[in-house]
Amino acid sequence: QITLKESGPPLVKPTQTLTLTCTFSGFSLTTGGVGVGWIRQPPGKALEWLAVIYWDDDKRISPSLKSRVTITKDTSKNQVVLTLTDMDPVDTATYYCAYSRLEVRHFLYWGQGTLVTVSS
Amino acid sequence: QSVLTQPPSVSGAPGQRVTISCTGSSSNLGAGYDVHWYQQFPGTAPKLLIFANTNRPSGVPGRFSGSKSGTSASLAITGLQAEDEADYYCQSYDSSLSGSVFGGGTRLTVL
Repeated sequence: QITLKESGPPLVKPTQTLTLTCTFSGFSLTTGGVGVGWIRQPPGKALEWLAVIYWDDDKRISPSLKSRVTITKDTSKNQVVLTLTDMDPVDTATYYCAYSRLEVRHFLYWGQGTLVTVSS
Repeated sequence: QSVLTQPPSVSGAPGQRVTISCTGSSSNLGAGYDVHWYQQFPGTAPKLLIFANTNRPSGVPGRFSGSKSGTSASLAITGLQAEDEADYYCQSYDSSLSGSVFGGGTRLTVL
């Protein structure tokens, strides 16, 4: 059974750096083809893909956020960490992590999401 | 604006058939990349509904079907039920962005 869960601060101040952790079980990020992605959704708005990291440490990041986003993995802890620098109120959103595979690129399993509010 | 274009809303009466369109471009759907569809209820995470254009994950009712042609794709729901009222998103890969893209989402209302 594959599960993912996001964790991180619910509130950050403008200009601060957001660090989110996705802790997963039921699969390994050392298995060929496996990836974990991050998707966010501002309140009342659409889904936005942010980044994905694959088993071989290949990383893809949304061009619109490339200068602000870092994605890393810790296979020993079954975790993927997303950092987003210089937070702004427009970054207020529910952040999801999700399981993917390189050959299909869809997101089959999702975490419950974590709401992050950017406010002073 | 989203890279993939969906109508903001569609509606239908119970039992009817509705379709939701997803229009892309030559760097995503038109390049042959698959389209996937998600269903999302308020306050919950999206759920994969259709993958690789036409395939349903285990547990998804046969009332849901997908198709793709050129730069466009569609999600069809037949025998509409009240429980289908939700937001629906399409997703694909875009070669010019080297990453995934989502549509703007469509709110389905069951009248």
